[in-house]
Amino acid sequence: QVHLQESGPGLVKPSETLSLTCIVSGGSISSGSYYWGWIRQPPGKGLEWLGSIFYSGSTFYNASLKSRVTISVDTSKNQFSLRLSSVTAADMAIYYCARHEAWGLRYFDYWGQGTLVTVSS
Amino acid sequence: DIQMTQSPSSLSASVGDRVIITCRASQGISNDLAWYQQKPGKVPKVLIYAASTLQSGVPSRFSGSGSGTHFTLTVSSLQPEDVATYYCQRYNSDPLTFGGGTKVEIK
Repeated sequence: QVHLQESGPGLVKPSETLSLTCIVSGGSISSGSYYWGWIRQPPGKGLEWLGSIFYSGSTFYNASLKSRVTISVDTSKNQFSLRLSSVTAADMAIYYCARHEAWGLRYFDYWGQGTLVTVSS
Repeated sequence: DIQMTQSPSSLSASVGDRVIITCRASQGISNDLAWYQQKPGKVPKVLIYAASTLQSGVPSRFSGSGSGTHFTLTVSSLQPEDVATYYCQRYNSDPLTFGGGTKVEIK
C-alpha cells in the first residue's frame, strides 16, 4: 500500500517561498509508471492541480501559476518537493501530494493527508 | 484550457434517493474523466475513472457515464455516509483540471 506524507512549515510570510516535501513509502518513486503531483485546496473551496514530476525529473505545471512553481524529486530519499515563490494570501490552502499514472489514466489514486499552509506576516 | 463545469453546486436529498451529478467539459475529452468524493475534513478519494470504471472497493451504488463533453455521476440509493462534496477531474490534456464541486447533503 503506497503511503504519501507531506511535511513543511505551516506558516509562510507574504512574498516568501513556500516549501513542502512529500515522502513516499510502500512503493518506489522510481517505478517508472507514475507521476507524483501537488494539488491544493483553499479553505472551503475546490481543488487545483499545481504540477507533477516523473522520477527522471521531467515536470509539467499548471500554467496559471506562471513561473512560481517548481517541483523536484530526490529518488535516493523516495521523496519529491514543491516550491511556490512570492506567496500571497491567495496561496493559503491545504496542500496535498498525490500520485497518478504516467500515461493514459492520469487520475489521482493515492493522496497524502494534506498540510495546511497559512500565509501571514 | 478546457473548463469543467459541475451542476448542481449543491443538493439535498433523502436517504434512498437516486442522485445525479453532472459534469460538462468545454471541449470533448473522450472518456478521460474521474470522479472523487471528499467527505468533510477528509482527503479526496477516487470513485470512478475512465468515466465509468468503478475504483476497487467503491460501493456499487456509485456509477458513472458519459463521453465527450457530458458526464454524470449517479448514486443509486443515497446513504448517510455519502454526505460529501463530489468533484470531477479531466485528464485528457494539461492542465489537469477539477470541476467546482457538488455538495451533497441529506434532507
